[in-house]
Amino acid sequence: EDKVVQSPLSLVVHEGDTVTLNCSYEVTNFRSLLWYKQEKKAPTFLFMLTSSGIEKKSGRLSSILDKKELSSILNITATQTGDSAIYLCAVNHGSSNTGKLIFGQGTTLQVKP
Amino acid sequence: GAVVSQHPSWVICKSGTSVKIECRSLDFQATTMFWYRQFPKQSLMLMATSNEGSKATYEQGVEKDKFLINHASLTLSTLTVTSAHPEDSSFYICSARAPTGTPSGYEQYFGPGTRLTVT
Repeated sequence: EDKVVQSPLSLVVHEGDTVTLNCSYEVTNFRSLLWYKQEKKAPTFLFMLTSSGIEKKSGRLSSILDKKELSSILNITATQTGDSAIYLCAVNHGSSNTGKLIFGQGTTLQVKP
Repeated sequence: GAVVSQHPSWVICKSGTSVKIECRSLDFQATTMFWYRQFPKQSLMLMATSNEGSKATYEQGVEKDKFLINHASLTLSTLTVTSAHPEDSSFYICSARAPTGTPSGYEQYFGPGTRLTVT
């Protein structure tokens, strides 16, 4: 059965801390892995990763994919209270490129002042 | 970036009535849209894939006669929850697929979601 697993499920840190969120997957015909940030409403797109070992960076956020380990990490440096959200990892897979995503359970991050 | 809208953002209806939710891609054409539902403190679960001009593809366990999907144009998909019951209360989110032009890459943009409460 195809699945995406995130860890930890929840995390509480203080402003300025650095956090690392994990995502592992077991799917057939992997195509890409996506990270999203969800606050009160729908998820907003962060990164899409297709190639192993190439870091994608946006401000204080960065992410990298390890196809050998079937996993990805999302790093957030110098965290701020505005980073508090649910971070979702999703994998696009399948022999035909339907675009269907399997989501992990999400990691709830709380950043305290 | 690509923008996806949903309407309404929230709706309360009585048990037994039907509710229609619209999903629109505002600045791009989406041949494929997806419908998800999300229960509190849970992740998104794909309900169906909506393709313009053809029948939707439903995930296992999703009743196609209860959740009617129509993808009438390249910018509009609708989800109708028929004969809604309290257990259908949930957060419904649509997304639209925007190609990036790479063989394996695309991005999926989400609408803001619709909170449905059935009383």
